Amino acid sequence: KAGVTQTPRYLIKTRGQQVTLSCSPISGHRSVSWYQQTPGQGLQFLFEYFSETQRNKGNFPGRFSGRQFSNSRSEMNVSTLELGDSALYLCASSFKLNGETQYFGPGTRLLVL
Amino acid sequence: GESVGLHLPTLSVQEGDNSIINCAYSNSASDYFIWYKQESGKGPQFIIDIRSNMDKRQGQRVTVLLNKTVKHLSLQIAATQPGDSAVYFCAENAKTSYDKVIFGPGTSLSVIP
Repeated sequence: KAGVTQTPRYLIKTRGQQVTLSCSPISGHRSVSWYQQTPGQGLQFLFEYFSETQRNKGNFPGRFSGRQFSNSRSEMNVSTLELGDSALYLCASSFKLNGETQYFGPGTRLLVL
Repeated sequence: GESVGLHLPTLSVQEGDNSIINCAYSNSASDYFIWYKQESGKGPQFIIDIRSNMDKRQGQRVTVLLNKTVKHLSLQIAATQPGDSAVYFCAENAKTSYDKVIFGPGTSLSVIP
């Protein structure tokens, strides 16, 4: 079974721009969660999608949004990028909502200049 | 607020020795805990999990111990190998109002050949 895939792997943007990241979960997994990882804050939960609906949300501003498609693939969008948004964005999939065992993708490294 | 924390941010061990990585959690309602390993340039990888109705679980070369009385979790790696060098995260499936997985800050394990 193929693992979680994320595209692109690396991205450079400038302040004020917006960005869309993509995640394809493991086949059969219906839950997709997104995390932001930075050296200072560690791994922080952004949101979780299940059956095309956002089910859980972390403490991030509204500039961070996401969606999930009928095939469980998910995208996250960050608008009006700030320097502090530079991070590794990780996607994780699990079989069910609040799935306890999550399988992570390799992440998208975003650099905001 | 509720959080998961680690006692030691870095740990260096000699190859062949046993490693112990510790973690403290604060949410007494959490009922599921996971250890992840993250190698450089990769997403976190599931190592082992434990439910709150257990106090010990063993895998291949790894053992997780859970002490609910003091809200402490540990990961023991037997006969540590150079390939074990990575950052290790504990995580709890926190029973918050929006159930999500909360990660600790991570411990960097370095294995000395």
